[in-house]
Parts: sequence; structure tokens; C-alpha cells
Amino acid sequence: NAGVTQTPKFQVLKTGQSMTLQCAQDMNHNSMYWYRQDPGMGLRLIYYSASEGTTDKGEVPNGYNVSRLNKREFSLRLESAAPSQTSVYFCASWDTINEKLFFGSGTQLSVL
Amino acid sequence: AQSVTQLGSHVSVSEGALVLLRCNYSSSVPPYLFWYVQYPNQGLQLLLKYTSAATLVKGINGFEAEFKKSETSFHLTKPSAHMSDAAEYFCAVTASGNTGKLIFGQGTTLQVKP
Repeated sequence: NAGVTQTPKFQVLKTGQSMTLQCAQDMNHNSMYWYRQDPGMGLRLIYYSASEGTTDKGEVPNGYNVSRLNKREFSLRLESAAPSQTSVYFCASWDTINEKLFFGSGTQLSVL
Repeated sequence: AQSVTQLGSHVSVSEGALVLLRCNYSSSVPPYLFWYVQYPNQGLQLLLKYTSAATLVKGINGFEAEFKKSETSFHLTKPSAHMSDAAEYFCAVTASGNTGKLIFGQGTTLQVKP
């Protein structure tokens, strides 16, 4: 099993450019999440999707949009990137039976 | 509202010494508590969790943690550090029950000296 797969692994953008981070899980989990990791701040929740067809804001949603394309895929879009969005982004899915998050390997994004 | 505080952003121990990483939480509901580990350039993986069963929880790689409600603490310990334990460790609490909406602490980087 691949688990949670994120693409791309690295990305450099100029201020104002847009991009979409892709995420897919093959564990048949209902809930999926996008977190960002910044030094000294741990991980913070951007958006989540409790089930296919639903999305909700997390702690830091401003400047982002998400799409739950189907049960497997949950994408994160930056419409107009800003330097404050320089971060490492993690996608995750929740295993309700074993009560744990599975994380992807992350996307390191730099906005210049 | 839930919150997590990890005491000490960097901890350094000698190989073979006791590892103690501190975590205090605040929660308005019975918490689910987690410790995750992140090795360089990787995602996070679960070390152990507390979900209202036994208060002493054993995890992978010889780590364990004890839930102490009176102290609102969930400290992570390992009797003898190994070089491979060098990583960043995150304590987290659920925002509500069986959900992946976690509130993470700031993280503690563990350095293991030979």
C-alpha cells in the first residue's frame, strides 16, 4: 500500500502565482486533512474534509481553497501565493478504527 | 478550547541516557492525546496514543507515555536513548473525539550525542 501520496515534493513560486497541491490516499479513509508546518509553530490545520462531498475550514484557511474530488483525492489550491505561505504542507487521512492520522511525506513550498 | 504546550524546543541527551520530552495539554473534553515523530525530510508517524483506556501507554521503538489528568500532562519517555531516536517529536490533542482534527504542540527536537 502506498498510504498517503502527495505531489509535488518541492515547489518554488513567485508572489501572485497559483498552484494546486495534490493528495491521494488508498486506505479507504473518509476524512482527509491539510496541515502546514512552520518552525516553532508545530502543525496547523488549514482545511479538512470529513467525508466525500464536504469540506470545512481549519485554524488557518485564509488564502487557500480545497476540493474533495472523490473519496481518494483531496487537493489544496493557492490562488495567489504570498511569501507568508512559504511552508511545508502535509496531507493526512484519519483511520477511525485505529484512531490515528496517516501523513504524506510533505510538500516544501517557497514563495518568493 | 484545546491546546498543547511542549516544554523545551530542543533536548539533548547522551546515547544510553533517559529521554524525557514534556507535554502539557488543555482540553474542555476528555482528550485523545498523541505523540508523533518526524525524521528529517519525512512525514509524521505515530509513536503512541491515549484514548481513555490505560493511562500508561506503550508505543513503538521503546517509547512510553503516562496520562496524568491531575497534572494535565502526557510526557514521553524512553529509558535508554539510541542514536536513531534523533528526530522532532510532536505532542497533539484532538479537537473533539475520534477525529483527525489535531492541535499540535510546537515540537521538540531531540539530539542524541554519542
